[in-house]
Amino acid sequence: GQQVMQIPQYQHVQEGEDFTTYCNSSTTLSNIQWYKQRPGGHPVFLIQLVKSGEVKKQKRLTFQFGEAKKNSSLHITATQTTDVGTYFCAVMDSSYKLIFGSGTRLLVRP
Amino acid sequence: DTGVSQNPRHKITKRGQNVTFRCDPISEHNRLYWYRQTLGQGPEFLTYFQNEAQLEKSRLLSDRFSAERPKGSFSTLEIQRTEQGDSAMYLCASSSGGQTRQFFGPGTRLTVL
Repeated sequence: GQQVMQIPQYQHVQEGEDFTTYCNSSTTLSNIQWYKQRPGGHPVFLIQLVKSGEVKKQKRLTFQFGEAKKNSSLHITATQTTDVGTYFCAVMDSSYKLIFGSGTRLLVRP
Repeated sequence: DTGVSQNPRHKITKRGQNVTFRCDPISEHNRLYWYRQTLGQGPEFLTYFQNEAQLEKSRLLSDRFSAERPKGSFSTLEIQRTEQGDSAMYLCASSSGGQTRQFFGPGTRLTVL
């Protein structure tokens, strides 16, 4: 089955610095979704990418899907304390269930 | 609030007891999913319903676990003879047929003593 590996496990940044998390697979992915989970909260959908080389932006967040559709990244420009949380990539398989990566926990020093 | 709701939010039980959790999905959503999340990990799929039909169960779902969605609306997840390893956050999510994104509930945190 499909699996996704996510790095780094943790990232501790100074407010205003940039942040990037990476999601990798050994197989070609049909899609990739990104979710954010605040401390003590539940996963909240951010975006879905389906096309090779696709790039989407949401304010300070930039999402990319690799040309080979085996990797994806989430980049946050100029982090703020409100960005704190764990960011997960996930793949939806043919039976509609999500297969999550292990997540990257972002901590922001004010 | 028209989001996904779950009850109870917290459950502490002794090993060997049975527990039951409830999930109320967004009303027009026909798909309902259960996931389990342990500390520092991503959610792991347990089972999935389309309307009242349970279409897939993970190998993680031992025979002590059972889930129902009798009228295609709310769902229950029961764990019999709980073990300490069952301690986790149990998340419910729902989606509609035309969507790929899933809406998660706040979860039920289970602690087995």
